[in-house]
Amino acid sequence: RKEVEQDPGPFNVPEGATVAFNCTYSNSASQSFFWYRQDCRKEPKLLMSVYSSGNEDGRFTAQLNRASQYISLLIRDSKLSDSATYLCVVILSGSARQLTFGSGTQLTVLP
Amino acid sequence: GAGVSQTPSNKVTEKGKYVELRCDPISGHTALYWYRQSLGQGPEFLIYFQGTGAADDSGLPNDRFFAVRPEGSVSTLKIQRTERGDSAVYLCASSSRSSSSYNEQFFGPGTRLTVL
Repeated sequence: RKEVEQDPGPFNVPEGATVAFNCTYSNSASQSFFWYRQDCRKEPKLLMSVYSSGNEDGRFTAQLNRASQYISLLIRDSKLSDSATYLCVVILSGSARQLTFGSGTQLTVLP
Repeated sequence: GAGVSQTPSNKVTEKGKYVELRCDPISGHTALYWYRQSLGQGPEFLIYFQGTGAADDSGLPNDRFFAVRPEGSVSTLKIQRTERGDSAVYLCASSSRSSSSYNEQFFGPGTRLTVL
């Protein structure tokens, strides 16, 4: 079983739609959680950290459920520029702070 | 300021050859990471340097892979006797080790390695 699992998609949604991505992680001792965004043939970039209390950054909302070992990302009012692959990322407890990535969920926002 | 740079951007080699991939981290960043990303997958950790020393090399797949960072800045990932399965994008990331609890890792554009 992979340490971080995501639905690979692809998700094709119209502009303005709300879309949600889910992710589960297998190591209950995972200590830090993030969503990264990766555009085609580009490097991953940090989108947002994920906190237990949930956090919001503009149109993006991230949630963490430690009991279920589940992370989510909600994108409201999606824009064409949101088209990318979204990577769920954890830092495992006791690690050297290296990032453990899911395989990514591909999003295409259609005009 | 300048971000993480990696050279070459693309490398095509033949099976069995030796390759070196270079990473120039953000100035002042003491932590440096190498990851490998295969098509359709997320990046996978290879090795982590804190300063000059390899603090964790548990992600290196076998002894054909080796990395150095002799002066605590530039790092070179070395792959001996390349195999077709080594074909991937090799990503380098750096971060500071200052006060915050999580120090964002900034990624370079990667080196796309193709082994024929």
